[in-house]
Amino acid sequence: QLQLQESGPGLVKPSETLSLTCIVSGGSISSSTYYWGWIRQPPGEGLEWIGNVYYTGSTYYNPSLKSRVTISVDTSKDQFSLKLTSVTAADTAVYYCARREEGYYYWGQGTLVTVSS
Amino acid sequence: QSALTQPASVSGSPGQSITISCTGTSSDVGSYNLVSWYQQHPGKAPKLMIYEGSKRPSGVSNRFSDSKSGNTASLTISGLQAEDEADYYCCSYAGNNIYVFGTGTKVTVL
Repeated sequence: QLQLQESGPGLVKPSETLSLTCIVSGGSISSSTYYWGWIRQPPGEGLEWIGNVYYTGSTYYNPSLKSRVTISVDTSKDQFSLKLTSVTAADTAVYYCARREEGYYYWGQGTLVTVSS
Repeated sequence: QSALTQPASVSGSPGQSITISCTGTSSDVGSYNLVSWYQQHPGKAPKLMIYEGSKRPSGVSNRFSDSKSGNTASLTISGLQAEDEADYYCCSYAGNNIYVFGTGTKVTVL
């Protein structure tokens, strides 16, 4: 059974960089079938697509976040990562990692990241 | 890329059918048959209910079905049950390997 687990700091200061990692277990991140994605959800609000990465390292980002987002993949560790620079309070959200296969079927449990000084 | 528009809330009595709309544009919903639907209970991760191409994952009840007309996709839940009370989100491909979620709909079972 595939499992995804987000990890990273739960508190980030304004203007700093948010960094999260998604560890994939029970399957290989190197499969040519899937993309791996990040989705976030501010408290009490809806889902927002952040971006996807393919195992080759190809990346695709939400245009509204593109200037601040970097998603990378480490196939040797079966994990992929999210970096979001210059964060503000508006970036406070639960961040989910997920696997894409005609839809996001497998999700991590989500991790709350709060942006506050 | 603007979020797809969904009604904030939809309600129905047990056994009834309800439909949740998801309105986009000719650049996303209208151009591709690539809309997926998610159910989210409070405090939980979203659960995929309908794959792109109107397919249901194994284990998802056939009470859930989708359709599309023009720039609007719809999710229908038939035989509404108490366990269906949750938030529902659509997600569409928008070209250039970009995806956009809907604003979300809270389903209440009366």
